[in-house]
Amino acid sequence: DTGVSQDPRHKITKRGQNVTFRCDPISEHNRLYWYRQTLGQGPEFLTYFQNEAQLEKSRLLSDRFSAERPKGSFSTLEIQRTEQGDSAMYLCASSFTGEETQYFGPGTRLLVL
Amino acid sequence: SQQGEEDPQALSIQEGENATMNCSYKTSINNLQWYRQNSGRGLVHLILIRSNEREKHSGRLRVTLDTSKKSSSLLITASRAADTASYFCASLIRGSYIPTFGRGTSLIVHP
Repeated sequence: DTGVSQDPRHKITKRGQNVTFRCDPISEHNRLYWYRQTLGQGPEFLTYFQNEAQLEKSRLLSDRFSAERPKGSFSTLEIQRTEQGDSAMYLCASSFTGEETQYFGPGTRLLVL
Repeated sequence: SQQGEEDPQALSIQEGENATMNCSYKTSINNLQWYRQNSGRGLVHLILIRSNEREKHSGRLRVTLDTSKKSSSLLITASRAADTASYFCASLIRGSYIPTFGRGTSLIVHP
């Protein structure tokens, strides 16, 4: 499969716990994006990388959230001290530099109890 | 806040009918894209229309763009039950690489 993959697909955690999600982009893509989507809403931008550099972060990305892309390939999104309001679908997408179309993964659905 | 707003929020039609969804946005854009999302899944890119284009076709999809009204429409002709999904417009403003998504239109096509 050559598409964007995300792991895990589902995560249930208790409030206050830390969680980490992984995204593997399409291998030739140098841009990688994270979005959050809540029920009945469109995706909201969180952050994006070009290669290993994190170039932009949304104000939605509080200090409890951190994202990395250490070798310019896969990326991780960590949420520390989760809150019930963090419950959402977390989507990853990738693209080439200069290409406006983004290719999305299946998402990780997070439920914080 | 989200740049685009889709209308209607929900649409229910019979197989074979046409489905029209509208999207409005707030600021000048470089292009506008439409994506589809099946329940609980990721988004799939459908079509991109640039700010200097007025209409674009792809198979059963027809997209129009009216920059004077800051609006776009997506028409799906001869709908099928498999078209049941949520449809989102995503606008890209000049100088940005980050599209801004609307809230989406939920389409149900009854067989």
